[in-house]
Amino acid sequence: DAKTTQPTSMDCAEGRAANLPCNHSTISGNEYVYWYRQIHSQGPQYIIHGLKNNETNEMASLIITEDRKSSTLILPHATLRDTAVYYCLQTGAYNTNAGKSTFGDGTTLTVKP
Amino acid sequence: NAGVTQTPKFRVLKTGQSMTLLCAQDMNHEYMYWYRQDPGMGLRLIHYSVGEGTTAKGEVPDGYNVSRLKKQNFLLGLESAAPSQTSVYFCASRPVMGDDEKLFFGSGTQLSVL
Repeated sequence: DAKTTQPTSMDCAEGRAANLPCNHSTISGNEYVYWYRQIHSQGPQYIIHGLKNNETNEMASLIITEDRKSSTLILPHATLRDTAVYYCLQTGAYNTNAGKSTFGDGTTLTVKP
Repeated sequence: NAGVTQTPKFRVLKTGQSMTLLCAQDMNHEYMYWYRQDPGMGLRLIHYSVGEGTTAKGEVPDGYNVSRLKKQNFLLGLESAAPSQTSVYFCASRPVMGDDEKLFFGSGTQLSVL
């Protein structure tokens, strides 16, 4: 199964940028990279996604390398409320595992005062 | 707009009992999923469905059955519950739109099997 790899944990100082890496070396041409986060025991929430271009929305920025084998989620000014587990997924509707969205163990980001 | 609704939110079972978890979505999504999450772990895919009347196995399907008789509902069944099935269960759904297929999650069901 296509799974991404992420560091287990990271710390970030409040107000600084948090940069969370993800390796997705098996990604195919029509698969997107999606990022989600899970706060406490709530259901994961969508953050951002991209195919090959860098993306930005009100929550975060996504930088995808030119070979598409890795990406970085950037939270520009981390707050204590950004403490959560962050997951990246590679997913697409048209590959052989159409619809099969699997998660890795994610990165636990701790934002410290 | 309710999104994805899971019932029940909490349940305690004795070993060997059976139960069904219900997931309902009102967004007309094609794909639906059941995940389990053990303490300190990531989400593991149990079963999923790519449309009404279809189901497929995920990473950890043993001990569970599912049905998708209606597009908006995805049921997860435990025929004979075991303590190893104590976990938090999340349902999710997503559309098939090519460039925007984000997952929407329910709030979870905490299941304890004694």
